[in-house]
Formats: sequence, structure tokens, C-alpha cells
Amino acid sequence: EVQLVESGGAVVPPGGSLRLSCAASGFMFDDYNMHWVRQVPGKGLEWVSLISWDGSESFYADSVKGRFTSSRDNSLKSLYLQLNSLRTEDSALYYCAFSSSSGLAYFDHWGQGTLVTVSS
Amino acid sequence: DIVLTQSPGTLSLSPGERAALSCRASQSVGSNSLAWYQQKPGQAPRLLIYYASVRATGIPDRFSGSGSGTDFTLTISRLEPEDFAVYYCQQYANSAGLTFGGGTKVEIK
Repeated sequence: EVQLVESGGAVVPPGGSLRLSCAASGFMFDDYNMHWVRQVPGKGLEWVSLISWDGSESFYADSVKGRFTSSRDNSLKSLYLQLNSLRTEDSALYYCAFSSSSGLAYFDHWGQGTLVTVSS
Repeated sequence: DIVLTQSPGTLSLSPGERAALSCRASQSVGSNSLAWYQQKPGQAPRLLIYYASVRATGIPDRFSGSGSGTDFTLTISRLEPEDFAVYYCQQYANSAGLTFGGGTKVEIK
């Protein structure tokens, strides 16, 4: 069974940093590109980043570019999102997700999310 | 980036009725790379439709997707009690610039 389990969410002050993790199991993690998607509770979905299957390429939404960095460790079947220079508008539930159709970017697998709150 | 506009914002219907949800793109979505998701409170989104009209695994046939180019529709032929939720469209024509619509809430009338 495919499982994605996010962790690392916390309450942090504006300007602070945080590292989110996503532990994967039940599939060949290193075959798939991975994504982060966030959602302010009660609001819509926003794509955050994509990292290629081998970690060689990553892409970001304009709203986080230069502040967030995605990485992965295929030996540990883990995905990471480093969040720096956090703003109040970064407060959201952060999901990791992927498509079982390798190379495509609709998401048939999601984690349960980890909550980031940016507040003083 | 492609902007997706969903309408209406809220749809108030009764069980058994038909629901039609619209998703309009600011420019043509290449290869009809448009997906639909259902989200219930406290849950992650659930993939319903991809490539505009292909049902995902395990999705009941009362859900159907149609459209091409810039205009797409998700239709629920007869609403079941478990279908009352929020629905999002998403374009994936550019994997490095994914966008979601703002969502349509289907509520019980």
C-alpha cells in the first residue's frame, strides 16, 4: 500500500525556518517525481514545488522561489522541504503528493499533510 | 501560468439531482491535461478525473468529465450523500507550473 507521511510542521515566527519531511513507502520512490502542495485551512490548493525522481531538477511557485528548497534522499525514501524566511502567508497545511503515472503531474497519491503556522 | 476559474463558488442541490461544475482556463490547456479532485473536511484531495475525461481508479461512473481547450466540466449525474464536498480542477500541462482552480463547494440544499 502506498503511504506518504509528512512531518515537521510547527509554529514558527516570521523570518524563521523549518524543514518538512515526507516519508514514502509501498512504491518505488526513486522512480517518481515528487511534489509539495499547500492549503490554507478552509481555502484552496496551491502547488509549491516539484523535484525530479533523481533530485537533479527542482521547480518552485513564484510565491516561494528563493526561500524554499526541495530535496530528497532516495536511499531513505524521503522527501524534504526546507522553508526559510517564512512569512505569515506561508501558514498552511503542506502535503506531499505524486502521480503513479511517472512524469505526469496529476496526483493520485497524497499524504495527510503537516501544518505550518507562521506567527509571532 | 494558466489561471483556472471555477464556477459557481457554491452549488446548493438535493441528493439525486445532477451537478455541473465549470472550470475555465485563461489559455488553452495542452493535451487536455486537466484533472478534477474531491475534498472532504479533514481529508486530502482525492483524484476523480484526469486528462479531462478519464475516471481514476475506483471512481463511480456517476462522475464524468468533459471539455477541451479552455472550458471543462465535471458532472455528477445523481448526487449521493457522500458527494457533498469541495471540488477542484487542476491543470498539469506544465509540470513546473501547476495551477488549481479556486474550488466549487457542493452543499446540501
